[in-house]
Order: sequence, then structure tokens, then C-alpha cells
Amino acid sequence: LAKTTQPISMDSYEGQEVNITCSHNNIATNDYITWYQQFPSQGPRFIIQGYKTKVTNEVASLFIPADRKSSTLSLPRVSLSDTAVYYCLVGARNFNKFYFGSGTKLNVKP
Amino acid sequence: DTGVSQNPRHKITKRGQNVTFRCDPISEHNRLYWYRQTLGQGPEFLTYFQNEAQLEKSRLLSDRFSAERPKGSFSTLEIQRTEQGDSAMYLCASSLGTSGGAYNEQFFGPGTRLTVL
Repeated sequence: LAKTTQPISMDSYEGQEVNITCSHNNIATNDYITWYQQFPSQGPRFIIQGYKTKVTNEVASLFIPADRKSSTLSLPRVSLSDTAVYYCLVGARNFNKFYFGSGTKLNVKP
Repeated sequence: DTGVSQNPRHKITKRGQNVTFRCDPISEHNRLYWYRQTLGQGPEFLTYFQNEAQLEKSRLLSDRFSAERPKGSFSTLEIQRTEQGDSAMYLCASSLGTSGGAYNEQFFGPGTRLTVL
């Protein structure tokens, strides 16, 4: 499993766009990049998955440069309820042994 | 609610006792996963099942840990002779394992928090 590196924590204010970058220098050709969100006392929840370029859904966008050695999760206009830990995972699309790492703790302030 | 459920939500036990946790996956999901999460860390993969077959258990922390899914539906995780270091949140997840290119999202339950005194 490719190792990922994310900032330990980030602060933002309501209404701002937040970008969380994940480094994965050893990503393999068939690896996908998947992001999960976890609120306190809850299990993680899938946000978005991508392979290259840009993926957008109703919650977030995922930007992946051509060399795929990093990715950026973009959360538009965050609210207090987006305060959570965000995990970047790299592996085959349906790999069954997720490695979550320590994630990025996002703190959204009023 | 048709999500993943886990019972109990909290368990306090004394060192040396055995504990068992139950996970009920989403009904049509054939894959089931167990994770352990300690404070400030991400979930750590332990094992997973496809139907009743346990396909990966190398990450189970020691031979005190065992998991079963006897009929391919609910699963149990047992810890024998608990130690204080076993105190953690134990998470269960399920997914619909299908062939082809679609991503099979893992849906997580709320977890069982274990405290070993």
C-alpha cells in the first residue's frame, strides 16, 4: 500500500474554500485515491474517489495532477459541520485493506 | 435505519476477561471488515470477510483476537484475556463486493468503544 502524507491539522472559517493536500509519491499505476471523512464518535464516511485529473460530486472536488504523486481535496464554502478528520487513502480501486494514516483534522471556526 | 449496526456501543471490562462484539452489515453487502481505532489515529485494518470466508486475517493483532461470520450475515469479533492496550474503538464496515469497475464503497458502523480496566 502506498504511504500517504497529509497535514496534521488545518483551520478555516465558515464560508471559505478549504484545500487539503495529500502526498503519495509511491502511487502505483492501478492505484486510486480515495478520501474519507470522520466525525467524532462515528465511523468514517466516503467522500470522493478519483484516478486522474478532476472529479467533482455534490460534496467535494478532487484534483489530481498528471504525475499523480499528490492530490488535493477541495471543500467549497465550509460550514461548522465540516469540522472533522479527513483521510486520504491510496490503493487499488476495490482493495480490501485500507490504510488510513492519521488524517487531517479540519477545524472550521465561525 | 438500514446502515451498519454494532453492539454494544460501549463495553467496560476488567483485564483478563473475554469480550465479544457484534456487527450487522447492510443486508445486501457480502463483504465485512473489522478495524481498530485508537485515540488520534486513523482506523487500523484487522480482517475482512467475503460472505462467510475470512479472506484476510494477518492483521489481527494477536492470537487473542478472532472473528467469525458463520452464515455470511452478521459477524462477531472476540478478544480473549483482554489487556489494557486493547482499549480502543472497534469499527465494522461492509461493502457490496462486485466484479467490474465500479467502486465498492465501505460503509462504517458507529463502532464499539472498549475500555479495559
